[in-house]
Amino acid sequence: QQQVKQSPQSLIVQKGGIPIINCAYENTAFDYFPWYQQFPGKGPALLIAIRPDVSEKKEGRFTISFNKSAKQFSLHIMDSQPGDSATYFCAASMDSNYQLIWGAGTKLIIKP
Amino acid sequence: NAGVTQTPKFQVLKTGQSMTLQCAQDMNHNSMYWYRQDPGMGLRLIYYSASEGTTDKGEVPNGYNVSRLNKREFSLRLESAAPSQTSVYFCASSEIAEETQYFGPGTRLLVL
Repeated sequence: QQQVKQSPQSLIVQKGGIPIINCAYENTAFDYFPWYQQFPGKGPALLIAIRPDVSEKKEGRFTISFNKSAKQFSLHIMDSQPGDSATYFCAASMDSNYQLIWGAGTKLIIKP
Repeated sequence: NAGVTQTPKFQVLKTGQSMTLQCAQDMNHNSMYWYRQDPGMGLRLIYYSASEGTTDKGEVPNGYNVSRLNKREFSLRLESAAPSQTSVYFCASSEIAEETQYFGPGTRLLVL
């Protein structure tokens, strides 16, 4: 019940395309859902985060869509660029226990 | 402002050896975390410290110990290294729990 399942494991998209990465969770007590971006040899860095009171959040070219009833959330990258090539992690946590539970990661490659 | 720093960057140990991974943050954050990252498994929390003077076990604490030396520093010790502890270790900090976590560059540990 603590798991966050992330898919796909890897994704190749042409420049300008819209990669979509999906995550699903079981624990309805989760109330914070961040996405982190990690470049090779670096630590993860927060990209964007959402709470269940909204269904969508945009920051620049990055959008989180949140479906509370389906217990799913996804990351969309508009007008993707080769510089977006990285590993993306979704995560979840709850107020009563602020440990982040991480998805397994998606390696995204944007082809020029 | 260096953010989160970790030493060493890379280490090779023999089975049974001990070592301490060091982490320091200069953002005056209250909470600090130790994660390990293994291929295909995302990040798993080893230990965390919600505030100076407190430490708690995460998802995979066995074989590790931690010390929150002061508000800035949080060390991770392997008393008797095992090949299963070969991984990349990340330290992170946040102002308070369930806020953005800022990660260090990681320590790559190989146990032979």
